[in-house]
This record gives sequence, C-alpha cells and structure tokens, in this order.
Amino acid sequence: EAQVTQNPRYLITVTGKKLTVTCSQNMNHEYMSWYRQDPGLGLRQIYYSMNVEVTDKGDVPEGYKVSRKEKRNFPLILESPSPNQTSLYFCASRPGGIVETQYFGPGTRLLVL
Amino acid sequence: GDSVTQMEGPVTLSEEAFLTINCTYTATGYPSLFWYVQYPGEGLQLLLKATKADDKGSNKGFEATYRKETTSFHLEKGSVQVSDSAVYFCALTHTGRRALTFGSGTRLQVQP
Repeated sequence: EAQVTQNPRYLITVTGKKLTVTCSQNMNHEYMSWYRQDPGLGLRQIYYSMNVEVTDKGDVPEGYKVSRKEKRNFPLILESPSPNQTSLYFCASRPGGIVETQYFGPGTRLLVL
Repeated sequence: GDSVTQMEGPVTLSEEAFLTINCTYTATGYPSLFWYVQYPGEGLQLLLKATKADDKGSNKGFEATYRKETTSFHLEKGSVQVSDSAVYFCALTHTGRRALTFGSGTRLQVQP
C-alpha cells in the first residue's frame, strides 16, 4: 500500500529538548515536504526536498532542520523546541513535477511546554 | 503575495442538505485551484482541481468552478452525507512553484 508514515503521532516535550519527527514514504517519490498546520492559518511549508541531499527552505523554516540522506526518509529536527512550535505537523511526498498530487502522512501533534 | 480566504467554520448541516463552502483568492496571473479534504486523524487528500478559468472540477459528488471574474472557487455538493464530515481546504499554486498556498480550512459537520 502506498503511504507516508510519520512517527511519533503524538509528542509532549519541554522547551529546549531536542526532538526528531521521522517521515518515510514507500512510493519512490523525489519530492518530500514538511508542513505545519495551525488554527486559522491553514498549512504552511517548513522545508522541502527535491531529492537526496537536496533541501531548501519553505515559508516558515526558523527553528527547524531537515536532512535527506535516503530517498524514502525525510526527518524533521527541532534542535531546541519552543512553545511557539506547538502545532500539527504533516509530511508529504510527491513525484516530480505536479505539486498538487501530494500524499500526506497522518500528522504528528506536538506540544512544547 | 498569494492568499486564499475561506469561510469560517464549523459548518453544521443535516444529512442530504446542500453544501456550499466559499473560497476566494488573491493571486497574480492564472493560478491553478484545488480543494483538499482532511478526514479525522488523517492527512490531506486532493478532492478536486481546476487549472483555468471556467473549468469545473468534480469528484465524489463535489463540484467547484474556477471563476476568474470573482476570484472564487466555491465548493458545492447537492446532498451531503455523514461521511462527508471533515475539514476542507482551498488551495492554489502557479506552474513551476514548489508549494501550495492553503486557506485556513473549514470544518464540516453533517448530522444524521
């Protein structure tokens, strides 16, 4: 089954404690992205990757890091989380060229205390 | 920059009622327009799209028409079901862009 998986699904942490949210896709897609979803703001892109070792900033990259060492994986790293990073995070992947045909993961709900 | 404005929710309807969720946009040129749906506990799924003025996108009984003159892309369904309860997002992009611009989402609750 074609899918995007994220782990963990729910996470409560404290300010400053480094965390990583994993994302994996089994569709051999070139493009992967991370979004955050906040009430009243819709989804905003944090980072995206066009292929292995190729990443770039989205609209709200501050406080986040990513890496793309393998085609299937695209982890999101919060080196020093802060309460304003409390949000619902989605990973997405797509084949090259058609931005709207994105496959979204189920989401990770993060609470930073 | 581009922006998408959706009607505030939640929208609460009875089963078999007519649905309209308003979406207007601000963008240069001729963007492509989309509706995504997010069911509880799941990621977003593309529901329908329209890529040029006067196009009508349709899927699963939902329809939306790209109106350039009113910069709108309202979502409609003639008879909603309980299973349509979800959050609906309007979005746009331009050819060659790397990301979509999303509206804030509208929650639909359909009661039996």
